[in-house]
Amino acid sequence: EEQLVESGGGLMQPGGSLRLSCAASGFTVSGNHMTWVRQAPGKGLEWVSTIYIPEITDYADSVKGRFAISRDTIKNTLYLQMRSLRPEDTALYYCARIVLGSGYAMDVWGQGTTVTVSS
Amino acid sequence: DVQMTQSPSSLSASVGDRVTISCRANQSLTDFLNWYQKKPGKAPNLLIFGATTLHSGVPSRFSGSGSGTDFTLTIDGLQPEDFATYLCQQSFTSPWTFGHGTKVDMK
Repeated sequence: EEQLVESGGGLMQPGGSLRLSCAASGFTVSGNHMTWVRQAPGKGLEWVSTIYIPEITDYADSVKGRFAISRDTIKNTLYLQMRSLRPEDTALYYCARIVLGSGYAMDVWGQGTTVTVSS
Repeated sequence: DVQMTQSPSSLSASVGDRVTISCRANQSLTDFLNWYQKKPGKAPNLLIFGATTLHSGVPSRFSGSGSGTDFTLTIDGLQPEDFATYLCQQSFTSPWTFGHGTKVDMK
C-alpha cells in the first residue's frame, strides 16, 4: 500500500526551528515529485513547497528563505526544514505525492502533523 | 497569485441528487485544474486531475468539465459517503492555489 506518514510537528516559540519528516512506503520519494501543503486553523489549504525530479525546488513566497525541502533516498523520506518560525506558520502540515503525468495533482497524502508557533 | 473562486460555498442535497460545483480562476489555467474531496480530520482525496480525468479508483459518478477559467465538478447520483467538502486546485502556475471549498451537506 502506498502511504505517507508525517512526523516532527510540535509547539515552538517564534524564531525557532523545526524539521518535519514524511516517511514513504510502497513507492519511492526519489522517483516522484513531492510537495508540502498546510492548513492553518479555520483556513483553507495553502501550498508550501515542492521538490521535483531532478532536484528543483519551489516555495511559496511566505516561506521562501526560511523553509527548505529535501529528501533522503536511502531513508525514503521527505523533509521540510523550517527556520525563523512565525505565528502565522501555525498549521497542519501535509506531505503529498504528485502524480506523474497528471499536471501536478496530488494523489497520496499523509495524515498531517501539527505545528504550533506561539510564545 | 491565481485566485480560485468556488461556488456555491455550501449546498444541501439528498442522496441520489445531481450536484454541480463551480470553480473559476482569474486567469486561464488551460486544463491544469484538479478536484479533491475533503472530510473533517482527513487528508484531501484526489478525484479529478487535468480538469476532466477521473483518478484511479474514483467512482464514475464523479466527473469534471471545463477549461481555461471555468470548471465544474459534477456528482451524478450523490451517495451517503459523498457528503464532504470539495476543493479545486490550480497547478498551472506557481504558487499553486486552492479554492476555499464547497461543503455538501444533507438536506
